[in-house]
Amino acid sequence: GAGVSQSPSNKVTEKGKDVELRCDPISGHTALYWYRQRLGQGLEFLIYFQGNSAPDKSGLPSDRFSAERTGESVSTLTIQRTQQEDSAVYLCASSFLPGGTYGYTFGSGTRLTVV
Amino acid sequence: AQSVAQPEDQVNVAEGNPLTVKCTYSVSGNPYLFWYVQYPNRGLQFLLKYITGDNLVKGSYGFEAEFNKSQTSFHLKKPSALVSDSALYFCAVRDGSSGYSTLTFGKGTMLLVSP
Repeated sequence: GAGVSQSPSNKVTEKGKDVELRCDPISGHTALYWYRQRLGQGLEFLIYFQGNSAPDKSGLPSDRFSAERTGESVSTLTIQRTQQEDSAVYLCASSFLPGGTYGYTFGSGTRLTVV
Repeated sequence: AQSVAQPEDQVNVAEGNPLTVKCTYSVSGNPYLFWYVQYPNRGLQFLLKYITGDNLVKGSYGFEAEFNKSQTSFHLKKPSALVSDSALYFCAVRDGSSGYSTLTFGKGTMLLVSP
């Protein structure tokens, strides 16, 4: 597509439920990244996919968080047994070159609210 | 390890006056530096980058940034601020010596331009 697409744009869930967030990167972009933005804070790196290599999961905050990517296409970020501290905007980005040598293109994000 | 510091949570400037948003970084290899802007309820938009070459980098919407290696700084500037420049600004760095490093972002600086 023309840009990075994320869905849903907003999600309200009850504490303890599982949620799945979707990211559709720009066609041809080999790299895909997930970041979390909590209210009033900066961007927190979660996970990085590069082609068919093993993903860099070093930013995932707990084992309740997981992500998958099929080839160089769609990625899903799953949060199990959601907690109130998971409330944040989850941003996905993609880049043509590994690591984003010339920067990333971001999606508009998914605003997750856990009640 | 790499890090970014944006020492000001908020910068206030009157329309027509010059603006500066500060950023300092720490990285073990070659710094690749970026500025992004985020408008309310939107994803991050790329403004400009420094990879190599001239220390003064020009970007979108009349913004520019100066790379200062000795001071490890990459301050964002604009000669004449507009009310429409009001937004959240993020500085980011990655280690250009590593092919697979990801962007590390600062906490962001809110720019408020008054009429």
